[in-house]
Amino acid sequence: GENVEQHPSTLSVQEGDSAVIKCTYSDSASNYFPWYKQELGKRPQLIIDIRSNVGEKKDQRIAVTLNKTAKHFSLHITETQPEDSAVYFCAASPDYKLSFGAGTTVTVRA
Amino acid sequence: SQTIHQWPATLVQPVGSPLSLECTVEGTSNPNLYWYRQAAGRGLQLLFYSVGIGQISSEVPQNLSASRPQDRQFILSSKKLLLSDSGFYLCAWSLGGSNSPLHFGNGTRLTVT
Repeated sequence: GENVEQHPSTLSVQEGDSAVIKCTYSDSASNYFPWYKQELGKRPQLIIDIRSNVGEKKDQRIAVTLNKTAKHFSLHITETQPEDSAVYFCAASPDYKLSFGAGTTVTVRA
Repeated sequence: SQTIHQWPATLVQPVGSPLSLECTVEGTSNPNLYWYRQAAGRGLQLLFYSVGIGQISSEVPQNLSASRPQDRQFILSSKKLLLSDSGFYLCAWSLGGSNSPLHFGNGTRLTVT
């Protein structure tokens, strides 16, 4: 099955700086890569996703890049704000089963 | 629009007691349904998924089971809970087919004492 590794496990950034989270996957058949944000005690919520026919996607301060050759994808958050503090999960899927990374706890310092 | 309901929100059960968690989806037909578990401070582990009524696939051998008695209803059960079953259980759905986003319910926080 698919194996997704996510780094770093924790990330502390100054408000206004950028945050980058990186993930690698093992199954070359994976073609769907979503990112989820989970606030403490709440459900994960989809923030952005990318499919294998696209190399980059942007939505306001959030962007995701995908390198299928190297089998890695990244989440970029620019101009971080306190409300960006949460746990972020990457995931990959070759079909309808998502495999998740272990998560990155992002803390934005005021 | 589609909505997902999951209950109860919290549950405290003694070791050896049975478990039944229920999830229903509204506003869509023939969704893919999933049960995930999240241990404290950990990632999301897929337990079961279903692509149709009566079709259940298990990802991890354990003392839990799942059933899908109706198109938009997914149930997670156990006959005898273990301490290690404690965690945050999340039901999710996606559109039938592949490469669709997962939409999670609000989760059930289970504590086995």
